[in-house]
Order: sequence, then structure tokens, then C-alpha cells
Amino acid sequence: TQLLEQSPQFLSIQEGENLTVYCNSSSVFSSLQWYRQEPGEGPVLLVTVVTGGEVKKLKRLTFQFGDARKDSSLHITAAQPGDTGLYLCAWTSGSRLTFGEGTQLTVNP
Amino acid sequence: KAGVTQTPRYLIKTRGQQVTLSCSPISGHRSVSWYQQTPGQGLQFLFEYFSETQRNKGNFPGRFSGRQFSNSRSEMNVSTLELGDSALYLCASSFYRQGLYSGYTFGSGTRLTVV
Repeated sequence: TQLLEQSPQFLSIQEGENLTVYCNSSSVFSSLQWYRQEPGEGPVLLVTVVTGGEVKKLKRLTFQFGDARKDSSLHITAAQPGDTGLYLCAWTSGSRLTFGEGTQLTVNP
Repeated sequence: KAGVTQTPRYLIKTRGQQVTLSCSPISGHRSVSWYQQTPGQGLQFLFEYFSETQRNKGNFPGRFSGRQFSNSRSEMNVSTLELGDSALYLCASSFYRQGLYSGYTFGSGTRLTVV
């Protein structure tokens, strides 16, 4: 079983600050997805990364896939209260997603 | 297009009872997967159905079962409920073609409380 470790587990910052959250494994990912989940809702897919070294941008969010495809990071620039939520990375194996425990982000106004 | 619809949103059941949850996928998505989310264990895969057949199964007891209908709608059943079954149950639909899955979309979930 490929385990995903996410860090930090909790993060509380002020509006306007930058932050980075991490997703790591000892094994190689075939592909990796990032999700954001708000309370009482299902996760929403943000991005899928497949190629080692890949960088994808989604407005103020930058996703990076490690060269060795064992780690990934999500960087948020100038965080806003609307970015508050649980950020999850997931390893994809066919239809089956294996999730990390997530990073709970709180952005205070 | 309409998203993934899960019903009911909230459910309270007593230990020993059984429960059935429903999931209607996005039109055109034939793969439906179910997940259990708890504070202690996080999101865990239950099973996946494609074209009315279970194709993948997670590590859950046989009390957890499911099925899929010809219109791709899926149901999940939990029998002999235990307190530990209290969780948010999520379904996700995806498009499958030539060995690849895409378009993962989760529903809002069913919050099950067992008392």
C-alpha cells in the first residue's frame, strides 16, 4: 500500500500571506491529484499531475510534482479567507483514490 | 451539467439497523466509487462499480455492499450498523475510456449518524 504523508496537518495564517503544503511518499506515484474540501461537502478536484517536474498553475495556486514523482507541493500566493478548507492529495490507481490525511488550512481575515 | 447527487444528505439510525444510500452520477459517467470519511481514518475507498459490476473493493467488512443499475445510479447498503459506521459517505463518478479514468467528481455526501 502506498502511503501518503501530508504536512503540515494544520495551518492557520492571515489573509495575504503565502503558504506551501506538502505531500510525500516513499514510493513513486503514477499520478497525483489535489483536492479541496469544505465542511459538509465532498472534495473538489483542483489538479492532476502526471509528469515528474511538472508545474501547474490555477490562479493563485501553484502545484509542483517532484522530479522523482515521490512528492508534490501546493503553494498558495496571497491567501484569502475563501481558500479555507481541507487540502487533500490522492494517489490514483485506476478508479481507486488513496488519500493523504490532509492539511486543514484556515485563512483569517 | 448536473453534478453528482447523493441522497439523503443526513441520516440517523440505531445500532443494528441497516441503511441504503443513493448516488446518481454525472450523465455519461459510468464509474461510481464510494468512500467513507471519518476524523480518525480520513477518506477510505469502499468499492467501485462500472457497468453494473463491482470492479474494485476496499478493505471493509461484508456488511458494506453496493450495486449499480443500468442507468449508472448506484446504491450502497450497510447492514447491522455499528457506532463506528458513523461517517460521511461520499460517492464519486468518473469517465472511463481506454483504461483511463478522468473527471473525478464527488457528491456532497451523506452524513450517517449511528446511535
